[in-house]
Amino acid sequence: GQNIDQPTEMTATEGAIVQINCTYQTSGFNGLFWYQQHAGEAPTFLSYNVLDGLEEKGRFSSFLSRSKGYSYLLLKELQMKDSASYLCAVMDSNYQLIWGAGTKLIIKP
Amino acid sequence: GAVVSQHPSRVICKSGTSVKIECRSLDFQATTMFWYRQFPKKSLMLMATSNEGSKATYEQGVEKDKFLINHASLTLSTLTVTSAHPEDSSFYICSAKRTSGKMETQYFGPGTRLLVL
Repeated sequence: GQNIDQPTEMTATEGAIVQINCTYQTSGFNGLFWYQQHAGEAPTFLSYNVLDGLEEKGRFSSFLSRSKGYSYLLLKELQMKDSASYLCAVMDSNYQLIWGAGTKLIIKP
Repeated sequence: GAVVSQHPSRVICKSGTSVKIECRSLDFQATTMFWYRQFPKKSLMLMATSNEGSKATYEQGVEKDKFLINHASLTLSTLTVTSAHPEDSSFYICSAKRTSGKMETQYFGPGTRLLVL
């Protein structure tokens, strides 16, 4: 079956760096998405990786290794507003999205 | 884990016809489901919140007479795109909210790709 795994919850300190991992097993691969979702709001698009390597966008970076079925989202210089759920989703060979359950990130002062 | 399904996964229709998309929570009851549209820049736009047994709540700018939502049971919400036009072509994603104690989790469906010719 198809599966996306990511940690349920993580805690980090303001100003620090945190890495949220995502592993996947899907039938085919057409890209991996990371979304940020604050409570009660719609998910916000963060990144899209389809080739191996690191994509950097300001404080957020996303890495992909297709051979390992692995991605991570790296958040630097954490701010309190980064407290949110982070969703990993993979688009399979049928262009369907397979979603992880999300990682709740708690930032402490 | 919790699973949300959507049917159909993809549909092609002629302009002017109506298309119904189903969203089902397979192993939990969801009093609240959400309908999103994914734009080419990958952002998800919330279209409406579907509440079981009552009228859906639409976001500003979303035509409720065009995008009909029916949440008839605790495991099924439907989105009907009426009189579809080519500009309605998009990827529609639903999600279902699961409440366990004080914890709420949103589970997303695989999406439905709509192409209007």
